Amino acid sequence: KQEVTQIPAALSVPEGENLVLNCSFTDSAIYNLQWFRQDPGKGLTSLLLIQSSQREQTSGRLNASLDKSSGRSTLYIAASQPGDSATYLCAVEAAGNKLTFGGGTRVLVKP
Amino acid sequence: DAGITQSPRHKVTETGTPVTLRCHQTENHRYMYWYRQDPGHGLRLIHYSYGVKDTDKGEVSDGYSVSRSKTEDFLLTLESATSSQTSVYFCAISDKQGNQPQHFGDGTRLSIL
Repeated sequence: KQEVTQIPAALSVPEGENLVLNCSFTDSAIYNLQWFRQDPGKGLTSLLLIQSSQREQTSGRLNASLDKSSGRSTLYIAASQPGDSATYLCAVEAAGNKLTFGGGTRVLVKP
Repeated sequence: DAGITQSPRHKVTETGTPVTLRCHQTENHRYMYWYRQDPGHGLRLIHYSYGVKDTDKGEVSDGYSVSRSKTEDFLLTLESATSSQTSVYFCAISDKQGNQPQHFGDGTRLSIL
C-alpha cells in the first residue's frame, strides 16, 4: 500500500526566505506526483504536476523535483511572501487514476 | 478555476439519517472523485467514477454509496449517517488519466450529531 509522508508538519519562516517542502512515498510505481495548495476553509489548488519520467517542473517562483528511485519530491518556493502562507499537500497518482495524499505541511510566512 | 460546485456547503444532521452530497461540474471531464479530509488522516479517497454509471471504491468506501447518471453530476450518499462520518468532503474532477491534475471543489462541511 502506497504511503506518502510530508515532513515537517508545520514550518514558519520570515518573508523573503526560500521555502523547502519535502514529500516521500513508499512505492515508486507512480504515474505522476502532484503538489497542491490549500487555504483555510477552501479546496485544493493544483500547483505543479511532475510526470514519472520527469525530474522537475517549474512555474514562476515554484520548482518541484522528483526522484522516483528514492521516493522523494521537493517543492521549492523562492523568496517567500506572506501570501504563500497555506497548507501544501503532495499526492502521488498510481494505477486507476487514484491519488494518495500526504498529510501536508502548514506554512506560515511572517512579514 | 475549474467549474465545480458542491452542494450543500454546510450541513448538520443527526445520526441515522440519510444524507446526499452533490458535485456538479461544467468541464465535461470524464473522471470524478469524492474524498474526505480529517485531521490526522489527510485526504482519503471514498469513491470515484470513470464515466457515466461507471464507479469504483476507494480507500474508505464503507458506509458510502455513489451514483453518476450524467457526466456532470456525481452524488455521494450516506445511507445512515454516523458520527464517524463527520468530516469535510471534497469532490474532484480530471480529464485524462496520469496526465492532468485533479481540480477540487470548495468542499462540504458535514457534521453528524
